[in-house]
Amino acid sequence: NAGVMQNPRHLVRRRGQEARLRCSPVKGHSHVYWYRQLPEEGLKFMVYLQKENIIDESGMPKERFSAEFPKEGPSILRIQQVVRGDSAAYFCASSPSPESPLHFGNGTRLTVT
Amino acid sequence: DAKTTQPPSMDCAEGRAANLPCNHSTISGNEYVYWYRQIHSQGPQYIIHGLKNNETNEMASLIITEDRKSSTLILPHATLRDTAVYYCIVMEVNYKLTFGKGTLLTVNP
Repeated sequence: NAGVMQNPRHLVRRRGQEARLRCSPVKGHSHVYWYRQLPEEGLKFMVYLQKENIIDESGMPKERFSAEFPKEGPSILRIQQVVRGDSAAYFCASSPSPESPLHFGNGTRLTVT
Repeated sequence: DAKTTQPPSMDCAEGRAANLPCNHSTISGNEYVYWYRQIHSQGPQYIIHGLKNNETNEMASLIITEDRKSSTLILPHATLRDTAVYYCIVMEVNYKLTFGKGTLLTVNP
């Protein structure tokens, strides 16, 4: 059984470019969550999505960040016009229901130069 | 969500039980206690959770005091691969996990 798959594992972008982070949940899981871990800090909730719907985006920065989880295909976290402060590890998690424990992927490490 | 207090680090000998404490004195009646761990450079891994009663699974046991103000995660036979940061989280809604600094458990040979 494949776990949560995230790609790429490492992503380098110059300031002002766009970053696209992909997450394929565990097969059969329809709930996807994105978390961000800044260097030397704990993970922070960003957004919770269920197929085609954003359920809770209270942790997302108001500008430049967006997330989607289409009917077909992986969930995408998109960061436009990246800045150095966006450098972090971005983790995706999935679950079969909101009450179930989360299964995390191994993250995408974004470096903005 | 209730705040938790964990020691910043602990050591344990390989093969011995590792007992990781967590204080959550402001926990409310409908908040669960969750434990996750993060091995270096990997994503967090769910370990166990509970509300009132003690819980056990293939990875660990969770002991929650009767007043629910503290709990202990027990790894019965720690191995080198259990070296990780362990997070105790209390919350009502599972997906909005708030990860603090956790406890760095180092298992020594």
